[in-house]
Amino acid sequence: DIQMTQSPSSLSASVGDTVTISCRASQTISTYLNWYQHKPGKAPSLLIHTASRLQSGVPSRFSGRGSGTDFTLTISSLQPEDFATYYCQHSYSAPFTFGPGTKVDI
Amino acid sequence: QVQLQESGPGLVKPSQTLSLTCTVSGGSISDGNYYWSWIRQPAGKGLEWIGRIYTSGSTKYNPSLESRTTISVDTSKNQFSLNLSSVTAADTAVYFCARVSHNYGRAFDQWGQGTLVTVSS
Repeated sequence: DIQMTQSPSSLSASVGDTVTISCRASQTISTYLNWYQHKPGKAPSLLIHTASRLQSGVPSRFSGRGSGTDFTLTISSLQPEDFATYYCQHSYSAPFTFGPGTKVDI
Repeated sequence: QVQLQESGPGLVKPSQTLSLTCTVSGGSISDGNYYWSWIRQPAGKGLEWIGRIYTSGSTKYNPSLESRTTISVDTSKNQFSLNLSSVTAADTAVYFCARVSHNYGRAFDQWGQGTLVTVSS
């Protein structure tokens, strides 16, 4: 199975900050990497697919980069509604594992 | 806009079978551009992919749960279902159903709200 790791596990930031979250796969996954935002009691929502493609309706302050084993999610000019937990997930081959998550709070 | 909604018992006894259904509205479960998946999240933990099914009935499961998992599809009702047998307290979690899009790198592009299932006697 492909293992996913994320760093940091949590971070504190302020409105207007730029934050970057890292995700690493245990083996190469090309660009089969997706990012989700999850708020308590809500369904996770897809932000970025295929490493860098912004999902329709997602603000452009979210961006993704990377290929192979190393990926990043950047949130520019953090907004109050962005405080949430972010997960990376690979879709290279089953089982489709998620990273452990990065909690972004104030 | 397609919507997914999980339904099923919120409490299951140990050793019994957990059964959940996901009803898809606003779109057809027979659309060949998508797979349909189950994912769960134990309290305070991360997300775990359980398995997926295609409209044809073809399935793929997480090896860690495969021996206890069955996912089925009912195209006439626009639903797919999860059965997880021989449950223990470790299976207590919020269970999500989700759509997997071929067009979006096989990402989970639509999710249900999730339903909490507690395993307890």
